Amino acid sequence: TQLLEQSPQFLSIQEGENLTVYCNSSSVFSSLQWYRQEPGEGPVLLVTVVTGGEVKKLKRLTFQFGDARKDSSLHITAAQPGDTGLYLCAGLNSGGSNYKLTFGKGTLLTVNP
Amino acid sequence: GAGVSQSPRYKVAKRGQDVALRCDPISGHVSLFWYQQALGQGPEFLTYFQNEAQLDKSGLPSDRFFAERPEGSVSTLKIQRTQQEDSAVYLCASSLRLAGGKHNEQFFGPGTRLTVL
Repeated sequence: TQLLEQSPQFLSIQEGENLTVYCNSSSVFSSLQWYRQEPGEGPVLLVTVVTGGEVKKLKRLTFQFGDARKDSSLHITAAQPGDTGLYLCAGLNSGGSNYKLTFGKGTLLTVNP
Repeated sequence: GAGVSQSPRYKVAKRGQDVALRCDPISGHVSLFWYQQALGQGPEFLTYFQNEAQLDKSGLPSDRFFAERPEGSVSTLKIQRTQQEDSAVYLCASSLRLAGGKHNEQFFGPGTRLTVL
């Protein structure tokens, strides 16, 4: 069974601070996705990283995929209250079940004004 | 709307009751997925349909869980003889193409929150 460990589980910061969320696994994934989920809603895809060592930027969010494609990080610069939500990483299996997403437990981020 | 819709949004059932949860995927989407999200957890894969064919049901927790997509569009997840441990949010997702591949985005619905008393 492939598992994704996310840390920290909870994070409460002040507006304007920077933060990093980590996603680690002992397994290799063909790609890794980051989602944001708000209460009462389904997850919404933020980014997909595919290549080991890849870095993608989405405004104040920077996503990195580890060289070995086993881990990833999400860095938010100058966090805003609108960034509040549950951040989930999900690995896409390789091989025959390459449609199956394995999710981490998520990091619940609260940005206080 | 153009997104994935699910109904009901909330369902309260007494232990032992049967429930049926509905998913309306985005029109034209070939692939459909069901996930279970327990409180404080990430979503866990339940089952996958390609059009009307159920290609993977390995994530269904027990034989009390049954899913169908008879015409390749709307899907129903049925849970028989509900138990308290079935309480969770059930998420449906659809994707445009045949699933598989790194860029085939899954679009999620808002989920149905099931509470079994």
